[in-house]
Amino acid sequence: GQQVMQIPQYQHVQEGEDFTTYCNSSTTLSNIQWYKQRPGGHPVFLIQLVKSGEVKKQKRLTFQFGEAKKNSSLHITATQTTDVGTYFCAGPDNYGQNFVFGPGTRLSVLP
Amino acid sequence: NAGVTQTPKFRVLKTGQSMTLLCAQDMNHEYMYWYRQDPGMGLRLIHYSVGEGTTAKGEVPDGYNVSRLKKQNFLLGLESAAPSQTSVYFCASTRGDLTEAFFGQGTRLTVV
Repeated sequence: GQQVMQIPQYQHVQEGEDFTTYCNSSTTLSNIQWYKQRPGGHPVFLIQLVKSGEVKKQKRLTFQFGEAKKNSSLHITATQTTDVGTYFCAGPDNYGQNFVFGPGTRLSVLP
Repeated sequence: NAGVTQTPKFRVLKTGQSMTLLCAQDMNHEYMYWYRQDPGMGLRLIHYSVGEGTTAKGEVPDGYNVSRLKKQNFLLGLESAAPSQTSVYFCASTRGDLTEAFFGQGTRLTVV
């Protein structure tokens, strides 16, 4: 079935450093979503990308959808302690009905 | 609006016991989902519903049953709990398919 991979699994950064997580799919995706889950919390929707090569920004967060629509990335500029959490990408399953979540990238930010 | 509410938040079960997790949403969403989250494995879909009175199997449905008798509620049942069902369970709802998902706070279930 549809698989969505994410790297890295863990990332430790010093506050102020940049951070990037990558999401890869074996098949072309019609769209992709990103979620953030704080420790002990629940996933919260960040953004959805639909167009090939699309780039969207939310303050210090930059989201990109690959030209081939098989990969995506989330880049955080100048991380802050509030960025701590696990970032998940999610792509449609083979039937295009539900989202399949990647395993997530856990970000820790050292003050 | 409360969004998506799950009850209970924590539960400890003995092997073989049964229980029902309740999910309620007040956003008039058509679609509802039950996921389980285990360390390093992300969120895996157990069952979902595309409307009142309908249910369908997800990726890991074995050992679980669901019901959607009312549009706003989605129940997840464990008939005979097993230690392998120890997990954090999340309910979510969406307006339509492949749209933004709203998650509940989660239920941490331990089966001993």
